[in-house]
Amino acid sequence: QPVLTQPTSLSASPGASARFTCTLRSGINVDTYKIYWYQQKPGSHPRYLLTYKSDSDNQRGSGVPSRFSGSKNASTNAGLLLISGLQSEDEADYFCAIWYSSTVVFGGGTKLTVL
Amino acid sequence: QVQLQESGPGLVKPSQTLSLTCAVSGGSITSGTYYWSWIRQPAGKGLEWIGRIYTAGSTIYNPSLKSRVTISIDTSKNQFSLELTSVTAADTAVYYCAQGEAAAKFDYWGQGTLVTVSS
Repeated sequence: QPVLTQPTSLSASPGASARFTCTLRSGINVDTYKIYWYQQKPGSHPRYLLTYKSDSDNQRGSGVPSRFSGSKNASTNAGLLLISGLQSEDEADYFCAIWYSSTVVFGGGTKLTVL
Repeated sequence: QVQLQESGPGLVKPSQTLSLTCAVSGGSITSGTYYWSWIRQPAGKGLEWIGRIYTAGSTIYNPSLKSRVTISIDTSKNQFSLELTSVTAADTAVYYCAQGEAAAKFDYWGQGTLVTVSS
């Protein structure tokens, strides 16, 4: 079982909200980890969006709009990326990452379609 | 603002060594406390962290690649490098260099360079 699991795809309408999940493998407690989120558009390098550990320990990357936010769901052991007020330009792949066992682990990514 | 640029051969033969360099501009590679990483992405797939080097020279590698990877830093040229030995077709990917100041936080990225392993 992978360390981080992300759904392969997600679709939402312009103006709506999108909720991405990044589920940590059983036995790896999401409360312990900072979750890093990246956005990647076709043909471009990934862009750092934000880090979330808790409501008091989180940050957005430079120039990242406030409609991008992070959260966690302890009951499902998942990190969450929330995008409100979806725009067509948000259509991209979204990756989560953690620092685990002295290595960087990425989730497989979720492709967001805005339609 | 720091900029990173990867360079190196776009085609490597199987069993040979892949060598890439990341030139850093807009700041000194020794300033601050940054990690300089290599990350790769096969076409249509996800990201795989290869490893990193700290400004002071210490390295950490992905265990799945550790036996084949060396990352080094050349402060006189303001660049860092990747060597991956005994490559196979599975090593075909876009290779990115990136700078970060925390464990899995990569603030700046190079544009990426496609390396194809083929005879």
